[in-house]
Amino acid sequence: DAGVTQSPTHLIKTRGQHVTLRCSPISGHKSVSWYQQVLGQGPQFIFQYYEKEERGRGNFPDRFSARQFPNYSSELNVNALLLGDSALYLCASSLGQGKETQYFGPGTRLLVL
Amino acid sequence: GDSVTQMEGPVTLSEEAFLTINCTYTATGYPSLFWYVQYPGEGLQLLLKATKADDKGSNKGFEATYRKETTSFHLEKGSVQVSDSAVYFCALEGLAGGYQKVTFGTGTKLQVIP
Repeated sequence: DAGVTQSPTHLIKTRGQHVTLRCSPISGHKSVSWYQQVLGQGPQFIFQYYEKEERGRGNFPDRFSARQFPNYSSELNVNALLLGDSALYLCASSLGQGKETQYFGPGTRLLVL
Repeated sequence: GDSVTQMEGPVTLSEEAFLTINCTYTATGYPSLFWYVQYPGEGLQLLLKATKADDKGSNKGFEATYRKETTSFHLEKGSVQVSDSAVYFCALEGLAGGYQKVTFGTGTKLQVIP
């Protein structure tokens, strides 16, 4: 079975640009979460989506937004990129809300110049 | 809010040495606890988990026991290999405001030398 997939794997942008990252969850999983991992630190929670609705949001500015599609895939959008947005962006999926294990994708490495 | 504290690295060990990476947590309710491993240039892989007090998670020779009385989930391995070199993250998963959130520690880098 395919795991969580993310695209692109790497991305280079300049300050002020916009970026869209994509995630496909494991088949049958209805919940998708996004995390930001800055180099040398642990991942930080950004969003959780379940059944196409935002269920949770971490301490990130409004420049960060996301959505989930009817097929449960998800996009993370970041506007007006800053140098500090350079990070590994991880997507995780799970069956749904509750005490379930989240399975992580390989991540998208974003570099903002 | 929830938090995870793990020992700072890097930890350097010789092959076949015993490994302990300490992890303590603060959380409301009864979170699930995890160890994730991240190899260079890769995403996170679930190493092991425990969902309730006194549970022992184990995988690939690694073990950790959910200790509610000491709010700890220390990672151990009896004999490390060079291939175990990676960054290890302790994490807890709880429900907050109706959603599922994983809180990570800062990671401990392990380097195993031949």
